[in-house]
Amino acid sequence: DTGVSQNPRHKITKRGQNVTFRCDPISEHNRLYWYRQTLGQGPEFLTYFQNEAQLEKSRLLSDRFSAERPKGSFSTLEIQRTEQGDSAMYLCASSLDGTRETQYFGPGTRLLVL
Amino acid sequence: AQTVTQSQPEMSVQEAETVTLSCTYDTSESDYYLFWYKQPPSRQMILVIRQEAYKQQNATENRFSVNFQKAAKSFSLKISDSQLGDAAMYFCACCTGTASKLTFGTGTRLQVTL
Repeated sequence: DTGVSQNPRHKITKRGQNVTFRCDPISEHNRLYWYRQTLGQGPEFLTYFQNEAQLEKSRLLSDRFSAERPKGSFSTLEIQRTEQGDSAMYLCASSLDGTRETQYFGPGTRLLVL
Repeated sequence: AQTVTQSQPEMSVQEAETVTLSCTYDTSESDYYLFWYKQPPSRQMILVIRQEAYKQQNATENRFSVNFQKAAKSFSLKISDSQLGDAAMYFCACCTGTASKLTFGTGTRLQVTL
């Protein structure tokens, strides 16, 4: 197993620009999760997929955020019209099917909005 | 809504000594899982240990063990024979059961000294 991978690892953008992050889960993992972690805080849930279906979205996920998992494998998280408050670490995790399975995290994408 | 409280922002332990990190939580789930994750500086979050709420026996993983008190909703992590490599942020996370998302505490930064 190669683990969960995320790209890019770092992203610096100017306010108002759009950014897209990619997450590749552990192979055979049906579930994929996105979390956001700001400095000094624990991760906060954003959304999750079971295969290609997006099953839950947090209130944190404003209409500027969109996530997809088109073929049930990798996922993308797009932020449109970025704001300085979007600066954070965006973490992806994956798990086998079922709510009792352990979530395994990727290294994260650190976003800085200037 | 689920909540997780880690009341110790920072802890320090000498190498080879034992340290206990505290966590309390609240959930409406009746059957759920709890987790401790470790996040070393600038590195990805990794699972330390997990506990199934319906199991009365406390989980152990080598030098790591938990003290799970279901009625008190307490889930502390004990690290025995601390090593320099244990230095990290430790996050308590609750509670997958019928829900899939994890709720994290604010973390405890563990420092290991010689």
